[in-house]
Amino acid sequence: DTAVSQTPKYLVTQMGNDKSIKCEQNLGHDTMYWYKQDSKKFLKIMFSYNNKELIINETVPNRFSPKSPDKAHLNLHINSLELGDSAVYFCASSPREGTEAFFGQGTRLTVV
Amino acid sequence: QKEVEQNSGPLSVPEGAIASLNCTYSDRGSQSFFWYRQYSGKSPELIMSIYSNGDKEDGRFTAQLNKASQYVSLLIRDSQPSDSATYLCAALPVNFNKFYFGSGTKLNVKP
Repeated sequence: DTAVSQTPKYLVTQMGNDKSIKCEQNLGHDTMYWYKQDSKKFLKIMFSYNNKELIINETVPNRFSPKSPDKAHLNLHINSLELGDSAVYFCASSPREGTEAFFGQGTRLTVV
Repeated sequence: QKEVEQNSGPLSVPEGAIASLNCTYSDRGSQSFFWYRQYSGKSPELIMSIYSNGDKEDGRFTAQLNKASQYVSLLIRDSQPSDSATYLCAALPVNFNKFYFGSGTKLNVKP
């Protein structure tokens, strides 16, 4: 299937732990993103990569570190997890800058 | 001020009616606009994109853009219960590679 896929779908972890979320797209897109959706359903950009290069880094705590090993992958590593990090994290991709974004299925992160 | 504003709803319409969803944006430099549908617990799904002033139709959906008024709307004709979802409006400024999303309007279509 052609898609944006991210793993895991659910992640429950304790405060202080370090966790990673993986994202892969096989659509041949140049641009990939990480978005955070809070409990009020507001989607906010965290990071944007174009051809493996970081082009947008919003005001996100430096505990969050994205990594793009190649154009098709964009992973998100989170250190020292806090209760406030609980949210749904979406990976997305666009064919190129300035075009529509297609979303992965989301990762529901719960920090306890 | 948020970059993209939507009425959170819920907007309730009877089955078969026209649902009208509205969105305003603050950045006059925005060039591209998108409507996404998000079912509860699911990811946003692209419904329509619109880039020019006027109307764009796709099946039961019509997107309308008025750049002078900084206003985008989505009309859903012959609304079905399966259209019940949250609809997200997004704006993409030119030369910026990040979408500004509204907080979404929840639509309920009653059988």
